[in-house]
Amino acid sequence: SQQGEEDPQALSIQEGENATMNCSYKTSINNLQWYRQNSGRGLVHLILIRSNEREKHSGRLRVTLDTSKKSSSLLITASRAADTASYFCATGPRGGSEKLVFGKGTKLTVNP
Amino acid sequence: EPEVTQTPSHQVTQMGQEVILRCVPISNHLYFYWYRQILGQKVEFLVSFYNNEISEKSEIFDDQFSVERPDGSNFTLKIRSTKLEDSAMYFCASSRDRFDGNTIYFGEGSWLTVV
Repeated sequence: SQQGEEDPQALSIQEGENATMNCSYKTSINNLQWYRQNSGRGLVHLILIRSNEREKHSGRLRVTLDTSKKSSSLLITASRAADTASYFCATGPRGGSEKLVFGKGTKLTVNP
Repeated sequence: EPEVTQTPSHQVTQMGQEVILRCVPISNHLYFYWYRQILGQKVEFLVSFYNNEISEKSEIFDDQFSVERPDGSNFTLKIRSTKLEDSAMYFCASSRDRFDGNTIYFGEGSWLTVV
């Protein structure tokens, strides 16, 4: 898979359910960031996890990072209709590069 | 909460025309970026800017593109002679320090449509 590839590409759940999105990447990273994008809008930063961290929480969000498997997951608990958006992981590679490499994203639909 | 602001939110331009997209990064941030997202595609890095010079650029950022920080608050992206394939959402972003470990904050984007 490409650097920063999310799966599934699309996810539809009912309000109150949990949503899990996964991200895989290929190269060594300094950190990994998750962003949300409402349709046609800007990128909202959700959470950053450093390469030496394994898990982070922020409100209803839980992010894990497994550098041995080069993968990360984003869990949204007790989802709400307002969580409907596309979710992207973006990796910050090692080696001095300053760019974030984005995946194609997971389109999450939370049905009321 | 401080935010990155971008203008215009949407611009339609004729092919071959010059376009300037403007951004006001978060005030205490030192690193500035431009990214773009062609409809239905990934968000792609264009350029990073620090200490009044380009620190990194992608292969997309060719001679038709330029960036400038004309004063203490604005950061601009100029596309000299627009092509149809330049139609995209352009995002400005900033970070307090080099982003390894620092969050990069994005603006709402500027939709550019080249006709």
